[in-house]
Amino acid sequence: GQQLNQSPQSMFIQEGEDVSMNCTSSSIFNTWLWYKQDPGEGPVLLIALYKAGELTSNGRLTAQFGITRKDSFLNISASIPSDVGIYFCASPMDSNYQLIWGAGTKLIIKP
Amino acid sequence: ETGVTQTPRHLVMGMTNKKSLKCEQHLGHNAMYWYKQSAKKPLELMFVYNFKEQTENNSVPSRFSPECPNSSHLFLHLHTLQPEDSALYLCASSRTPGTSENNEQFFGPGTRLTVL
Repeated sequence: GQQLNQSPQSMFIQEGEDVSMNCTSSSIFNTWLWYKQDPGEGPVLLIALYKAGELTSNGRLTAQFGITRKDSFLNISASIPSDVGIYFCASPMDSNYQLIWGAGTKLIIKP
Repeated sequence: ETGVTQTPRHLVMGMTNKKSLKCEQHLGHNAMYWYKQSAKKPLELMFVYNFKEQTENNSVPSRFSPECPNSSHLFLHLHTLQPEDSALYLCASSRTPGTSENNEQFFGPGTRLTVL
């Protein structure tokens, strides 16, 4: 079945560092969505990608829709403490457009 | 501010209690969703409503009963829950899914439910 594999599961970084995470699948998708969830809150949509090869930025965040349509990448430049949280990728299934979700990448900033 | 509100934010209930979770969206969307989020597990879709009609029920036990009186409001009625039902319950809304931007879902802050 369709599933999304996110990596890494967690990241410990220093403030100011750049961050990269990715989401892969054995299936082709036509849309990639990246969400961030703060503790005790709902996920917030960061970036939406609709076209293979597309590169889209939102402030210090940049996401890319892989050319094979089987993967997507999220980069955060010059991380700050408020970047802490869990980042999820999600894509709609072809059959019923329900979103399937990656397990998340937890970002932790070392003090 | 996401335009999707949920109440209550926190709920503690016994196994014999009946309670309801409420969700309201102010985005003009037609589809609404209930998700369950347990620790260290991916988001689990429970129910989908499109134009007030339930279109998906992902094998959810009958102790969870959804209600969608209109496109802006969604309820989850809880009855005779088990401790393993303790989780964050998230509501989301979207335009009618099918085309690119319509698949974007917008979430409320969630209700943290603890079943004793």
